[in-house]
Parts: sequence; structure tokens; C-alpha cells
Amino acid sequence: QSALTQPASVSGSPGQSITISCTGTSSGVGGFTYVSWYQQHPGKAPKLMIYEVSNRPSGVSNRFSGSKSGNTASLTISGLQAEDEADYYCSLYTSTTSTVFGGGTKLTVL
Amino acid sequence: EVQLLESGGGLVQPGGSLRLSCAASGFTFSSYAMSWVRQAPGKGLEWVSDISGGGGGTYYADSVKGRFSISRDNSKNTVFLQMNSLRAEDTAVYFCAKDRAIVGVTGTFDYWGKGTLVTVSS
Repeated sequence: QSALTQPASVSGSPGQSITISCTGTSSGVGGFTYVSWYQQHPGKAPKLMIYEVSNRPSGVSNRFSGSKSGNTASLTISGLQAEDEADYYCSLYTSTTSTVFGGGTKLTVL
Repeated sequence: EVQLLESGGGLVQPGGSLRLSCAASGFTFSSYAMSWVRQAPGKGLEWVSDISGGGGGTYYADSVKGRFSISRDNSKNTVFLQMNSLRAEDTAVYFCAKDRAIVGVTGTFDYWGKGTLVTVSS
């Protein structure tokens, strides 16, 4: 299975923008549609924030956006708020590998 | 309102078995693939298994293949995970999750249960 690499941690101040990367280590994410991002607060279930690279589910703030370039998918959070502090996971689904999650990124709002 | 409620977790000895259940409501259950995802204490998410809406397609992570079995009862809106030959490394919170797509499996989980803790220890 392809592994997905995320930075262990990122941080930003309220109002700033941050970007979390997700890079495929073998086949990558470049040619695939089903790239998702999840937010998880401590002790809670994950929440879908972005699906199919750049789509936001209903109810998710438009401060969250997703993109893909080459081998790397990215989640950008603009106008950082204290409530955004959480763990973030990318995932990739293919019919051959099923679902693979990245290792997760801890976002700290300073 | 979509709700997923897991049950069946607990403490089990290495080599033992456990059956998890996930009761679903608020959507047409048989139209959607369902999945199990686990999270070991202090660790990241790990996909465990998928089952298609009709139940005819099942998929497993290499780490559980041959030991775990996923099934569903569409008449009772419930998905199950039978876990055999449990190991210490299976200790985790097990989440039930609904696939977003109305047809097929996309590995995109739009609703999650709160999880049930499985502890494998002697």
C-alpha cells in the first residue's frame, strides 16, 4: 500500500493561514480522485472536512480548502481560529489499495 | 439525522474473539458501503475493512486479513466486525463509518460513530 506522509505538526496564529501537505511515497496522489481530509479533536470521532481533493461537505466552513499538485495534496485553513486546533488526517482511496490514511498533523493555534 | 452507534468493545485476552456491532439510522442503510476504522491509543487512524451496500464486496487491511470478518444485516441496519485471534496490537478504538457515495466504495467517510474501545491484554 502507498503510504501518505504528513508533517507531524504545524502552527499558526489566529487570523493567519496554514497549509498541511500530504505526499504519497510510492504511487502518490497525483492521478487519484478520492483524496479526503479529516479533522479530529481529542477524544472525538473524525469529521470529514474535504472530499475528492477540493470539495467541502455541507456545513464545513469555507475557510477550509483542498488542492492537489503533482504528488502532493494540501489542506489550507485560512483565518485560523482557536477551534481549528486539532489533528488533521489525509486519506487516499484507490480500488487496488483501498483506504490509506496519512500519519496525521497536529495543528496548534498559538 | 444520521447516527452510528458502535457496541461490543471490551477487554479480551490475546488469541480471543470479539464481535463489534454498529447500528445505523437516518439514511437508506442498504445503499451505502460501510467501514471500520481503528485508532490505537495516541496513534493515527488506520482503515480496517469495508463492505459494499449489498454485502457482496468485502475488503480488509493486510494487518487483519484472515482474522477479521465484516458483515451486515440490511434488515436490521447493522454492520458487524467479527475479530478472531486478537493480538495486543489490535488494541484500539474502533470507529464505524459510512461511505459518502450512494453507489460503490470511495473510502470517503462522511459520518462516524463515537467508537468502541477494544483492549487486548492478559
